[in-house]
Amino acid sequence: GQNIDQPTEMTATEGAIVQINCTYQTSGFNGLFWYQQHAGEAPTFLSYNVLDGLEEKGRFSSFLSRSKGYSYLLLKELQMKDSASYLCASLDSNYQLIWGAGTKLIIKP
Amino acid sequence: GAVVSQHPSWVICKSGTSVKIECRSLDFQATTMFWYRQFPKQSLMLMATSNEGSKATYEQGVEKDKFLINHASLTLSTLTVTSAHPEDSSFYICSARGRADNEQFFGPGTRLTVL
Repeated sequence: GQNIDQPTEMTATEGAIVQINCTYQTSGFNGLFWYQQHAGEAPTFLSYNVLDGLEEKGRFSSFLSRSKGYSYLLLKELQMKDSASYLCASLDSNYQLIWGAGTKLIIKP
Repeated sequence: GAVVSQHPSWVICKSGTSVKIECRSLDFQATTMFWYRQFPKQSLMLMATSNEGSKATYEQGVEKDKFLINHASLTLSTLTVTSAHPEDSSFYICSARGRADNEQFFGPGTRLTVL
């Protein structure tokens, strides 16, 4: 079957670093996406990885290991506005996105 | 990046009425559009996938006669919730994919409340 696992909720402190992990098992693999979703809003694109390694984009970085079926999203210099849900999604062989349930990130001052 | 719009942003209707939601890709041609539903504190649930000019493919458990999808052009897809009931109240989000991209571009969502 197809499955995406990520923690339900995480808490971090403003200015700190947090890593949100995601493991996936899908029928075929065409890449791994991370989206940010604030309450009541649609998801917004953060990153896309299809090759192994780390992709850095400002304060956000995303890592992929295809052999391990594992990805993480790293957020540095956390700001209060980073409080949101972070969705991990795998693109399967049919180019359909298989979504994780999302990780709610709570930032405390 | 590519822009996808949805209309209306929110709608309140009486039980038994039908509601149409439009999804438009504004600056690119979307060969495939996806319709999602999201209940509070839950992840996105794919309802159906539509390709321009062909019938939509519905996910298991989604009633195709209740959720009518039309993808008549490369820039417009519509979702009609027929005979809406309070349990259909949800956040409906569309996304669009172009020919070349693996990425999906999301619309801002439509919040439907059925009284």
